[in-house]
Amino acid sequence: EAGVAQSPRYKIIEKRQSVAFWCNPISGHATLYWYQQILGQGPKLLIQFQNNGVVDDSQLPKDRFSAERLKGVDSTLKIQPAKLEDSAVYLCASSPLPGAGELFFGEGSRLTVL
Amino acid sequence: AQSVSQHNHHVILSEAASLELGCNYSYGGTVNLFWYVQYPGQHLQLLLKYFSGDPLVKGIKGFEAEFIKSKFSFNLRKPSVQWSDTAEYFCAVNEDSNYQLIWGAGTKLIIKP
Repeated sequence: EAGVAQSPRYKIIEKRQSVAFWCNPISGHATLYWYQQILGQGPKLLIQFQNNGVVDDSQLPKDRFSAERLKGVDSTLKIQPAKLEDSAVYLCASSPLPGAGELFFGEGSRLTVL
Repeated sequence: AQSVSQHNHHVILSEAASLELGCNYSYGGTVNLFWYVQYPGQHLQLLLKYFSGDPLVKGIKGFEAEFIKSKFSFNLRKPSVQWSDTAEYFCAVNEDSNYQLIWGAGTKLIIKP
Protein backbone atom coordinates (compact mmCIF):
# COMPACT_ATOMS: atom_id res chain seq x y z
CA GLU A 1 0.00 0.00 0.00
CA ALA A 2 1.39 3.36 -1.00
CA GLY A 3 1.88 5.82 1.84
CA VAL A 4 1.11 9.50 2.12
CA ALA A 5 3.05 11.45 -0.49
CA GLN A 6 4.21 15.00 0.07
CA SER A 7 6.18 17.47 -2.00
CA PRO A 8 8.45 19.27 -2.01
CA ARG A 9 10.57 17.72 0.73
CA TYR A 10 12.54 20.91 1.23
CA LYS A 11 11.89 24.53 0.39
CA ILE A 12 13.87 27.68 1.17
CA ILE A 13 12.25 31.05 0.53
CA GLU A 14 12.66 34.67 1.53
CA LYS A 15 10.18 36.24 3.91
CA ARG A 16 7.13 37.71 2.19
CA GLN A 17 7.39 35.15 -0.61
CA SER A 18 4.76 32.49 -1.12
CA VAL A 19 5.02 28.71 -1.01
CA ALA A 20 2.71 25.77 -1.64
CA PHE A 21 2.87 22.22 -0.38
CA TRP A 22 1.10 19.26 -1.90
CA CYS A 23 -0.20 16.10 -0.29
CA ASN A 24 -1.64 12.90 -1.71
CA PRO A 25 -3.18 10.77 1.06
CA ILE A 26 -3.52 7.02 1.19
CA SER A 27 -6.17 5.86 -1.25
CA GLY A 28 -9.56 5.65 0.38
CA HIS A 29 -8.69 7.75 3.42
CA ALA A 30 -11.46 10.27 3.86
CA THR A 31 -9.76 12.35 6.55
CA LEU A 32 -6.74 14.50 5.78
CA TYR A 33 -4.75 16.65 8.19
CA TRP A 34 -2.10 19.31 7.87
CA TYR A 35 0.17 19.80 10.84
CA GLN A 36 2.93 22.30 11.54
CA GLN A 37 5.89 21.01 13.52
CA ILE A 38 8.33 23.61 14.77
CA LEU A 39 11.72 22.36 15.92
CA GLY A 40 11.54 21.03 19.47
CA GLN A 41 7.76 20.90 19.56
CA GLY A 42 5.07 18.37 18.82
CA PRO A 43 2.88 18.62 15.75
CA LYS A 44 0.22 21.33 15.82
CA LEU A 45 -2.94 20.81 13.81
CA LEU A 46 -3.52 23.47 11.18
CA ILE A 47 -6.52 22.05 9.37
CA GLN A 48 -8.54 18.85 9.12
CA PHE A 49 -10.60 17.83 6.10
CA GLN A 50 -13.30 15.20 5.92
CA ASN A 51 -13.55 14.38 2.23
CA ASN A 52 -13.42 17.88 0.73
CA GLY A 53 -15.05 19.69 3.64
CA VAL A 54 -13.22 21.46 6.45
CA VAL A 55 -13.79 19.92 9.89
CA ASP A 56 -11.43 22.05 11.95
CA ASP A 57 -9.34 25.04 10.91
CA SER A 58 -9.38 26.86 14.24
CA GLN A 59 -5.57 27.02 14.45
CA LEU A 60 -4.93 27.98 10.84
CA PRO A 61 -3.60 31.57 10.54
CA LYS A 62 -6.11 32.47 7.88
CA ASP A 63 -4.53 35.82 7.06
CA ARG A 64 -1.62 34.01 5.44
CA PHE A 65 -2.37 30.30 5.28
CA SER A 66 -4.91 28.61 3.06
CA ALA A 67 -5.64 25.01 2.25
CA GLU A 68 -7.92 23.17 -0.08
CA ARG A 69 -8.81 19.61 -0.85
CA LEU A 70 -10.50 19.52 -4.19
CA LYS A 71 -12.39 16.36 -5.09
CA GLY A 72 -11.70 14.96 -1.65
CA VAL A 73 -8.31 13.50 -2.54
CA ASP A 74 -5.17 15.62 -2.96
CA SER A 75 -4.65 18.69 -0.85
CA THR A 76 -2.59 21.85 -1.11
CA LEU A 77 -1.42 24.08 1.71
CA LYS A 78 -0.33 27.60 0.80
CA ILE A 79 1.47 30.28 2.75
CA GLN A 80 1.37 33.83 1.44
CA PRO A 81 3.23 35.89 2.52
CA ALA A 82 5.64 33.80 4.56
CA LYS A 83 7.12 35.01 7.83
CA LEU A 84 10.30 33.90 9.58
CA GLU A 85 8.25 32.09 12.22
CA ASP A 86 6.70 29.87 9.54
CA SER A 87 9.96 27.93 9.33
CA ALA A 88 8.86 24.42 10.27
CA VAL A 89 8.10 20.99 8.92
CA TYR A 90 4.64 20.74 7.41
CA LEU A 91 3.21 17.29 7.88
CA CYS A 92 0.34 15.79 6.01
CA ALA A 93 -1.49 12.84 7.50
CA SER A 94 -4.52 10.81 6.58
CA SER A 95 -6.80 8.37 8.29
CA PRO A 96 -9.67 6.19 7.15
CA LEU A 97 -11.99 7.54 9.83
CA PRO A 98 -12.06 10.77 11.84
CA GLY A 99 -11.15 10.26 15.47
CA ALA A 100 -9.58 6.88 14.84
CA GLY A 101 -6.39 8.24 16.30
CA GLU A 102 -4.16 6.23 14.01
CA LEU A 103 -2.82 8.74 11.56
CA PHE A 104 -0.64 7.84 8.62
CA PHE A 105 1.95 10.53 8.00
CA GLY A 106 3.94 11.63 5.04
CA GLU A 107 7.62 12.45 5.35
CA GLY A 108 6.91 16.14 5.65
CA SER A 109 7.93 19.28 3.84
CA ARG A 110 10.64 21.28 5.56
CA LEU A 111 10.27 25.02 5.05
CA THR A 112 13.02 27.50 5.82
CA VAL A 113 12.12 31.19 5.63
CA LEU A 114 15.10 33.56 5.45
CA ALA B 1 -7.00 23.57 27.73
CA GLN B 2 -5.87 20.00 27.46
CA SER B 3 -2.11 19.51 27.35
CA VAL B 4 0.39 16.68 27.12
CA SER B 5 3.73 16.75 28.91
CA GLN B 6 6.76 14.71 28.07
CA HIS B 7 9.23 15.53 30.77
CA ASN B 8 12.41 14.26 29.16
CA HIS B 9 13.36 16.02 25.96
CA HIS B 10 16.53 14.00 25.48
CA VAL B 11 17.41 10.55 26.78
CA ILE B 12 20.67 8.74 26.17
CA LEU B 13 20.99 5.06 27.02
CA SER B 14 23.32 2.20 26.31
CA GLU B 15 22.14 -0.88 24.46
CA ALA B 16 20.34 -3.41 26.68
CA ALA B 17 19.35 -0.74 29.19
CA SER B 18 15.72 -0.49 30.23
CA LEU B 19 13.66 2.43 28.98
CA GLU B 20 10.82 4.40 30.44
CA LEU B 21 9.58 7.62 28.81
CA GLY B 22 7.09 9.68 30.73
CA CYS B 23 3.84 11.11 29.39
CA ASN B 24 1.26 13.00 31.43
CA TYR B 25 -1.91 14.66 30.23
CA SER B 26 -4.18 17.22 31.79
CA TYR B 27 -7.69 16.13 30.84
CA GLY B 28 -9.80 14.35 33.45
CA GLY B 29 -12.41 12.73 31.26
CA THR B 30 -12.31 9.72 28.96
CA VAL B 31 -9.24 9.80 26.77
CA ASN B 32 -7.58 7.82 24.04
CA LEU B 33 -3.79 7.62 24.25
CA PHE B 34 -1.10 7.08 21.65
CA TRP B 35 2.63 6.80 21.23
CA TYR B 36 4.11 7.65 17.87
CA VAL B 37 7.71 7.19 16.80
CA GLN B 38 9.82 8.92 14.19
CA TYR B 39 13.00 7.10 13.18
CA PRO B 40 15.77 9.22 11.63
CA GLY B 41 14.81 10.25 8.12
CA GLN B 42 11.42 8.55 8.29
CA HIS B 43 7.83 9.59 8.81
CA LEU B 44 5.91 9.50 12.07
CA GLN B 45 4.29 6.14 12.70
CA LEU B 46 2.05 4.65 15.35
CA LEU B 47 3.84 2.64 18.02
CA LEU B 48 0.86 1.72 20.18
CA LYS B 49 -2.52 3.00 21.31
CA TYR B 50 -4.98 2.69 24.18
CA PHE B 51 -8.72 3.13 23.81
CA SER B 52 -10.14 0.99 26.61
CA GLY B 53 -9.71 -2.34 28.38
CA ASP B 54 -6.40 -3.67 29.70
CA PRO B 55 -4.36 -0.63 30.75
CA LEU B 56 -1.13 -2.40 29.76
CA VAL B 57 -0.82 -2.05 26.03
CA LYS B 58 1.71 -3.84 23.89
CA GLY B 59 2.96 -2.31 20.67
CA ILE B 60 5.43 -3.04 17.95
CA LYS B 61 9.12 -3.81 18.47
CA GLY B 62 8.75 -4.88 22.10
CA PHE B 63 7.37 -1.60 23.37
CA GLU B 64 4.58 -1.38 25.91
CA ALA B 65 2.79 1.39 27.75
CA GLU B 66 0.73 1.49 30.90
CA PHE B 67 -2.27 3.75 31.37
CA ILE B 68 -2.58 4.86 35.00
CA LYS B 69 -5.76 6.90 35.18
CA SER B 70 -5.17 8.13 38.73
CA LYS B 71 -1.83 9.60 37.67
CA PHE B 72 -3.00 10.87 34.25
CA SER B 73 -0.02 9.02 32.82
CA PHE B 74 0.76 6.79 29.85
CA ASN B 75 4.43 5.93 30.15
CA LEU B 76 6.26 4.06 27.44
CA ARG B 77 8.54 1.19 28.40
CA LYS B 78 10.92 -1.29 26.87
CA PRO B 79 12.92 -3.74 28.97
CA SER B 80 16.01 -3.81 26.76
CA VAL B 81 16.67 -1.19 24.12
CA GLN B 82 18.57 -1.66 20.89
CA TRP B 83 20.60 0.77 18.83
CA SER B 84 17.78 0.72 16.26
CA ASP B 85 15.42 2.28 18.82
CA THR B 86 17.17 5.59 18.33
CA ALA B 87 14.31 7.87 17.36
CA GLU B 88 12.02 10.62 18.56
CA TYR B 89 8.97 9.49 20.52
CA PHE B 90 5.75 11.45 20.77
CA CYS B 91 2.86 10.96 23.15
CA ALA B 92 -0.57 12.11 21.96
CA VAL B 93 -4.01 12.23 23.52
CA ASN B 94 -7.53 12.88 22.37
CA GLU B 95 -10.76 13.12 24.29
CA ASP B 96 -13.59 10.76 23.50
CA SER B 97 -15.76 13.76 22.66
CA ASN B 98 -13.15 15.61 20.59
CA TYR B 99 -11.12 13.74 18.08
CA GLN B 100 -8.35 16.29 17.77
CA LEU B 101 -5.02 14.87 18.90
CA ILE B 102 -3.00 16.90 21.37
CA TRP B 103 0.71 16.16 21.13
CA GLY B 104 3.57 16.25 23.54
CA ALA B 105 6.82 17.96 22.56
CA GLY B 106 8.58 14.66 21.98
CA THR B 107 11.54 12.84 23.52
CA LYS B 108 14.67 12.25 21.51
CA LEU B 109 16.12 8.88 22.41
CA ILE B 110 19.71 8.06 21.54
CA ILE B 111 20.99 4.53 22.08
CA LYS B 112 24.73 4.16 22.29
CA PRO B 113 26.00 0.94 20.71
